[in-house]
Amino acid sequence: DAGVTQSPTHLIKTRGQQVTLRCSPKSGHDTVSWYQQALGQGPQFIFQYYEEEERQRGNFPDRFSGHQFPNYSSELNVNALLLGDSALYLCASSLYMTSGVGELFFGEGSRLTVL
Amino acid sequence: GENVEQHPSTLSVQEGDSAVIKCTYSDSASNYFPWYKQELGKGSQLIIDIRSNVGEKKDQRIAVTLNKTAKHFSLHITETQPEDSAVYFCAASNSGGYQKVTFGIGTKLQVIP
Repeated sequence: DAGVTQSPTHLIKTRGQQVTLRCSPKSGHDTVSWYQQALGQGPQFIFQYYEEEERQRGNFPDRFSGHQFPNYSSELNVNALLLGDSALYLCASSLYMTSGVGELFFGEGSRLTVL
Repeated sequence: GENVEQHPSTLSVQEGDSAVIKCTYSDSASNYFPWYKQELGKGSQLIIDIRSNVGEKKDQRIAVTLNKTAKHFSLHITETQPEDSAVYFCAASNSGGYQKVTFGIGTKLQVIP
């Protein structure tokens, strides 16, 4: 059973460019959340997708956008890259539950460096 | 929104000793508190969690305690082993529906053989 897979694992961009990161959730999961983890910090919630719609959003500008596909996979797009966008981007999948909690399963992350 | 504070940021212990990591949260609506272990080259993994209707939970060498009144919770690792060396994150979340999980800053634990 494949867990959460993310691509690419590492990438380097320059300021002003755009980047797309991809995530395939764990089999059976229908919800994808994205997190930004700066060096030495904890993961910061960017947004969450369920049924192909953004359901919750953290304190991130509109330069950060996403998409979820019918097969539950997801993309994170960042436009007009800034130096401060350099971070590890984590995808976490879970199963939506109307009550109780759905455990988050994390991918290994995509390490983005902005020069 | 929720704010989770975690300390210490780094912790070194001798193999066999115990390690304790403490966290506080701000939103009284949070009722689910997971702990994640992050190792290089691996995805962060849930190691233990606790819900707000429980004060303590134990799983072999790992235990978590929760004080709802004080809004703090702690991770206890006993008989530490070198493979326990990693970064540990506490988190707080609502339950049901669209969960938003807020993480602490992380604690880098080093177990010295």
